[in-house]
Amino acid sequence: GAVVSQHPSWVICKSGTSVKIECRSLDFQATTMFWYRQFPKQSLMLMATSNEGSKATYEQGVEKDKFLINHASLTLSTLTVTSAHPEDSSFYICSATALYTEAFFGQGTRLTVV
Amino acid sequence: GQQLNQSPQSMFIQEGEDVSMNCTSSSIFNTWLWYKQDPGEGPVLLIALYKAGELTSNGRLTAQFGITRKDSFLNISASIPSDVGIYFCAGQDSNSGYALNFGKGTSLLVTP
Repeated sequence: GAVVSQHPSWVICKSGTSVKIECRSLDFQATTMFWYRQFPKQSLMLMATSNEGSKATYEQGVEKDKFLINHASLTLSTLTVTSAHPEDSSFYICSATALYTEAFFGQGTRLTVV
Repeated sequence: GQQLNQSPQSMFIQEGEDVSMNCTSSSIFNTWLWYKQDPGEGPVLLIALYKAGELTSNGRLTAQFGITRKDSFLNISASIPSDVGIYFCAGQDSNSGYALNFGKGTSLLVTP
């Protein structure tokens, strides 16, 4: 299957700092990338949908000014958690899809804010 | 997006037993997918279903896309210890930009 690489795999940051997470589609051009958040023992909850070259669409309850998403190319999307707080600690997962194809997931990023 | 109703929440079985889990939604989907997630990893696609009534197998796994397009089930036959993990169903609707709506997951434990 297609490969989606997410970096970093884990990150620890101080409260109040910002963290950037990258999601890359390695062997296909992703027209759409999705960002999910998963708390322990819970399911994946969609945060936002981003299409290359346009602004991301955020799900209800997700602050767009706190979770900045950039999808500058067909192979790269970034999620920046700004002014992180301990309650932002979670497992963040991206997925990427080309038009009319299945979505493939990255390996996830474990964010811990201390 | 909506969260789908997935059951059972957890299963604890012996190696060699068959397993069945299902997923329902309040709305119809164009595609149903089943994923497995190991701890600390992203979900890995097991089976994708594209047509109502479709029955698809992948090795010991079999999944069906319900006729109403509002449900799906996954069966695992002759379970083995490496089947341990969390299984998620997901529904996809092209009208919603192909985002996935996930079930809450079924945690599977298999004892030798």
